Amino acid sequence: EAGVVQSPRYKIIEKKQPVAFWCNPISGHNTLYWYLQNLGQGPELLIRYENEEAVDDSQLPKDRFSAERLKGVDSTLKIQPAELGDSAVYLCASSLDRRTGELFFGEGSRLTVL
Amino acid sequence: SQQGEEDPQALSIQEGENATMNCSYKTSINNLQWYRQNSGRGLVHLILIRSNEREKHSGRLRVTLDTSKKSSSLLITASRAADTASYFCATDAPEYGNKLVFGAGTILRVKS
Repeated sequence: EAGVVQSPRYKIIEKKQPVAFWCNPISGHNTLYWYLQNLGQGPELLIRYENEEAVDDSQLPKDRFSAERLKGVDSTLKIQPAELGDSAVYLCASSLDRRTGELFFGEGSRLTVL
Repeated sequence: SQQGEEDPQALSIQEGENATMNCSYKTSINNLQWYRQNSGRGLVHLILIRSNEREKHSGRLRVTLDTSKKSSSLLITASRAADTASYFCATDAPEYGNKLVFGAGTILRVKS
């Protein structure tokens, strides 16, 4: 069974440029998460989807970040415009449903903003 | 400070020794989970322990939970060089909207 797939693995951009990350969760997993991980820190939740619905986006900086999960499967996370402080690893995770507890993570997308 | 805090921040041991990492949290929880992250990789789930459980085992891993002290420990027995990684505890708590909140992690280095 394929795991959570993320792309790109690495992205280097200049500040004020846009960037987008893509995530394909494990087949059948209804819940999808985007986390932000700064160096030396644990992941912090940005947004959680139950199927197509964003049920928790309280930590998503909505002035520059946006996300979507069309048809309740793949998801994209976009930053526009990127700032220096956005340099981090963006992790996608999925779970069968929220009550299951266990999260399956992708390898992450490492963003460097110059 | 965070809901979950690991202690120590870093731990260096010799192969074959046991490694113990601790996690403290602030509020009542539904469950507590431990994850491992190898350098440059995603997180991998290790164990989930529910609030009504006190101890769980999985291979060389042993997790304990003390809800009266709001703390958990992860014990790795007979450590191997491949256990070198960062270990995170994460709590699922009603006060935090029933979402997983991760601590800052413990960096474990196992020397061969």
